[in-house]
Amino acid sequence: NAGVTQTPKFQVLKTGQSMTLQCAQDMNHEYMSWYRQDPGMGLRLIHYSVGAGITDQGEVPNGYNVSRSTTEDFPLRLLSAAPSQTSVYFCASSPGVPARRGQPQHFGDGTRLSIL
Amino acid sequence: AQKVTQAQTEISVVEKEDVTLDCVYETRDTTYYLFWYKQPPSGELVFLIRRNSFDEQNEISGRYSWNFQKSTSSFNFTITASQVVDSAVYFCALTQGQGGSYIPTFGRGTSLIVHP
Repeated sequence: NAGVTQTPKFQVLKTGQSMTLQCAQDMNHEYMSWYRQDPGMGLRLIHYSVGAGITDQGEVPNGYNVSRSTTEDFPLRLLSAAPSQTSVYFCASSPGVPARRGQPQHFGDGTRLSIL
Repeated sequence: AQKVTQAQTEISVVEKEDVTLDCVYETRDTTYYLFWYKQPPSGELVFLIRRNSFDEQNEISGRYSWNFQKSTSSFNFTITASQVVDSAVYFCALTQGQGGSYIPTFGRGTSLIVHP
């Protein structure tokens, strides 16, 4: 059971570089989301998607782009990396929108990203 | 607006002690869902339990129990006879129900350290 797979697990970037964090799920889940986790801040939602072709902003979307061309994949793009984006990033999915059906989210193992 | 408060930043106990992790929430919705997640030192996030706003029954699962009280807007988590393997960061989360925002709200987490 693969579940939610995130790659890479670790990444170091220089300020101004761009990169894409990959997220794939094999559970045919409609809802996918990206969070960042910073010390003492809990999890904050960056972007989410309720299905292929549909994305929307979360609490902290600035500096990030997403797309959802397939049900399985939900990549997160950092356009021009900044030190403030140093964080641990989690991708999550659930069978339906958490708010609508109260479904728990399945999380990937996280990507630890450092911006120098 | 909705809010989840986990006032305990860190709790330290000795093995076999009972421990309660507090979660207080705020929401204007009558339909909502509450969750607890566990994040062990390995970093992944694991779903523990979900409660909907219409179900105030307490739940017990082995050494874990949850006390949901709408009157005090609390959803507390108790571990009985704690073990070293319970050491983790625990997050409480809230999502709105029908018609509400798609954005889940997480508390900042409580770090539980169980000493042998």
